[in-house]
Amino acid sequence: DTGVSQNPRHKITKRGQNVTFRCDPISEHNRLYWYRQTLGQGPEFLTYFQNEAQLEKSRLLSDRFSAERPKGSFSTLEIQRTEQGDSAMYLCASSFTGVSDYGYTFGSGTRLTVV
Amino acid sequence: AQTVTQSQPEMSVQEAETVTLSCTYDTSESDYYLFWYKQPPSRQMILVIRQEAYKQQNATENRFSVNFQKAAKSFSLKISDSQLGDAAMYFCAYRSYGGATNKLIFGTGTLLAVQP
Repeated sequence: DTGVSQNPRHKITKRGQNVTFRCDPISEHNRLYWYRQTLGQGPEFLTYFQNEAQLEKSRLLSDRFSAERPKGSFSTLEIQRTEQGDSAMYLCASSFTGVSDYGYTFGSGTRLTVV
Repeated sequence: AQTVTQSQPEMSVQEAETVTLSCTYDTSESDYYLFWYKQPPSRQMILVIRQEAYKQQNATENRFSVNFQKAAKSFSLKISDSQLGDAAMYFCAYRSYGGATNKLIFGTGTLLAVQP
């Protein structure tokens, strides 16, 4: 297992287009998170899955955003009708619920640029 | 709602010297975790050190240690014998203990430069 994998690493899209990002977590991790990080800021929580259930969505996640985690494995984050304000780094992280919870493992992120 | 504040946007340290990064937080909870994450340029965020609020002893990981002051809601990171590879953005983060989602709340980060 090589850690949390995110694809693509970079995405440039025109305003109004739809984009989809993929995250493959560490296989034994049951929790998966999406965060957004803009330049000069810390990551902001977007949404969280435990197995296949989406248990929380931030108010930052407008109706144009949707995330899925079919079968509790990989996850996708889709942004419809992209806007310039969506330009950011989108980070995925995973963790395991256990007695010893050692925190997240992050992926390298997908950098989205909306032109 | 919990908040995390990092008041030092940038810091600089000479190689082999010691530097301390500051973090304060606000919460009404009594049990929680605090973390320091390191984000090198164009690379993934990695966990540096973590502290459970119920533990009085400050966490230590090799050259990295924290000064956890629960009453003051302060959680600083000390890096000893700084190395060039320590240059990165450092984020302080808070997480509730036993919360429904275990989401992290991050500060705005401190960019650490290490001078040779």
